[in-house]
Amino acid sequence: KQEVTQIPAALSVPEGENLVLNCSFTDSAIYNLQWFRQDPGKGLTSLLLIQSSQREQTSGRLNASLDKSSGRSTLYIAASQPGDSATYLCAAHSGGSNYKLTFGKGTLLTVNP
Amino acid sequence: GAGVSQTPSNKVTEKGKYVELRCDPISGHTALYWYRQSLGQGPEFLIYFQGTGAADDSGLPNDRFFAVRPEGSVSTLKIQRTERGDSAVYLCASAPQAGEGETQYFGPGTRLLVL
Repeated sequence: KQEVTQIPAALSVPEGENLVLNCSFTDSAIYNLQWFRQDPGKGLTSLLLIQSSQREQTSGRLNASLDKSSGRSTLYIAASQPGDSATYLCAAHSGGSNYKLTFGKGTLLTVNP
Repeated sequence: GAGVSQTPSNKVTEKGKYVELRCDPISGHTALYWYRQSLGQGPEFLIYFQGTGAADDSGLPNDRFFAVRPEGSVSTLKIQRTERGDSAVYLCASAPQAGEGETQYFGPGTRLLVL
């Protein structure tokens, strides 16, 4: 059974800092890994999807990497801004034909002005 | 274009009552997923539809939970004899199809509170 762990559970940084969020998964036989952002009381917004054959994906100030062999993914946020404050969730696409997502508990990020 | 929509946005009910939660996926998306998110937790998979059929309902916690998608578009999650432990945010997601490179697009969720 796939298990996804995210550390730290919470992170507070001053504006402008670069930061890294960590995600680990127990079953390396994933199809892809997806990073989401969740604002309080809102749904999930997809940030980046890394397919199993890829090592990283970039979108603006965000860069996500994937190392299947070690069961790890990282989300790098450059030059953080107060608007980046949210909960960040990583999710692994399981094998099989349904491609359901297995989520971690998330990292609550606060960027202080 | 329109994203995934869910109604109602909030639902308060009493223990023992029946509730229905609705999901309107993105037009043309054949894959539809339901997840449940409890406070402080990540979403947990409940059920997956490919077209009209429930291809995987292994995440439904018990037989009080049931979901349908009769025409392959709108889906309804039904909960009978609600319990306080059912209180959570119920999230719906859709994708063009189930596949390795397919992003799942989530709706805003329905916040269910069982008193």
